[in-house]
Amino acid sequence: AQRVTQPEKLLSVFKGAPVELKCNYSYSGSPELFWYVQYSRQRLQLLLRHISRESIKGFTADLNKGETSFHLKKPFAQEEDSAMYYCALMGVSNFGNEKLTFGTGTRLTIIP
Amino acid sequence: KAGVTQTPRYLIKTRGQQVTLSCSPISGHRSVSWYQQTPGQGLQFLFEYFSETQRNKGNFPGRFSGRQFSNSRSEMNVSTLELGDSALYLCASSLVTVRTEAFFGQGTRLTVV
Repeated sequence: AQRVTQPEKLLSVFKGAPVELKCNYSYSGSPELFWYVQYSRQRLQLLLRHISRESIKGFTADLNKGETSFHLKKPFAQEEDSAMYYCALMGVSNFGNEKLTFGTGTRLTIIP
Repeated sequence: KAGVTQTPRYLIKTRGQQVTLSCSPISGHRSVSWYQQTPGQGLQFLFEYFSETQRNKGNFPGRFSGRQFSNSRSEMNVSTLELGDSALYLCASSLVTVRTEAFFGQGTRLTVV
């Protein structure tokens, strides 16, 4: 079974401070991890995926297989980063097909 | 390019009724997935369709069902509605699999009274 855990439901950070949103996963195979973001009144959208190793809007995330983690980080928070963030794992389901499993999400609020 | 379109946007139903939600994927996308979003549970996977076949299924009761048409449009049906079915139902489309990127619709807000 595949499982994604985001331990923080709410996270408040001052503008300009570093941000870290935690994500841990459980999966027996080789996972692919994603971060999706939902800004206020907007659709859920892909922020970044570990396989592309890119930085989007200043955010990065490193897959740590030893700790089974995929934490999202940004060195200096901006007010427009306030949103709901979901960590997601793509694995193979019991049906033998690829499936996205989401964590319960972390609501990030940037304090001006 | 038009995004994923879900209709209706809002729905109020009574316990025991049934409801059908619709999702039109991005043109060319063949995979459509459905999720239930609630404040307490986050996003929970319902099922995925690809080329008119159910390819994946989550842990929801049989009251939740879906289908996909030849033009990739998908419908989700919930029968014998319960109060706990109140949620935002999201549809996502992908080119082939969610490995590439899942594009989400704005959702249908279902309220069961």
